[in-house]
Amino acid sequence: AQSVTQLGSHVSVSEGALVLLRCNYSSSVPPYLFWYVQYPNQGLQLLLKYTSAATLVKGINGFEAEFKKSETSFHLTKPSAHMSDAAEYFCAVSYTGANSKLTFGKGITLSVRP
Amino acid sequence: ETGVTQSPTHLIKTRGQQVTLRCSSQSGHNTVSWYQQALGQGPQFIFQYYREEENGRGNFPPRFSGLQFPNYSSELNVNALELDDSALYLCASSLFRTGSTDTQYFGPGTRLTVL
Repeated sequence: AQSVTQLGSHVSVSEGALVLLRCNYSSSVPPYLFWYVQYPNQGLQLLLKYTSAATLVKGINGFEAEFKKSETSFHLTKPSAHMSDAAEYFCAVSYTGANSKLTFGKGITLSVRP
Repeated sequence: ETGVTQSPTHLIKTRGQQVTLRCSSQSGHNTVSWYQQALGQGPQFIFQYYREEENGRGNFPPRFSGLQFPNYSSELNVNALELDDSALYLCASSLFRTGSTDTQYFGPGTRLTVL
């Protein structure tokens, strides 16, 4: 069965510090991978996606993620955190197409300290 | 370009009642997926509709049903509401094409509270 593991439920960083949010997936076939962000009382916004092209994927708001098949990981990073990055972040995987069923992780809450 | 819209924004029901949630897909999209997001959890896939037919279903009981209309909008119906049905219901639309890597774009959600 498809699964996504997001380590830790809460990450706190200082403004200007590196953001690293971890995501591991279980798979025996190449998946499609996504990171979504959710601000309070809102829906999900796509940050970036991996669809078997370049392994380093750049997204919106300065975020990027690297697909590492050997580690079955797709960690999200941002070099310098901004206060506006405070939100819930979800990693998701699909095995049958980018527009097919998404399996989400439990999410990570990112807090940014001034 | 109009994004995904959902209605209502919030609603409150009591156990045993029935509810209908609505979703308008993004312009040019032909596929709608529904997800349930319980408090503090990631979204869970309920089902997907393509060309007015169910095209995949998650682990939800039959009292969760849906429709897709010719204009690609969709409804989610839940019968015999239970307390555990309280959640944010998210609709996502996408364009299905063979070999496509198009993604799902989410609406703002409907917050359902069951008392």
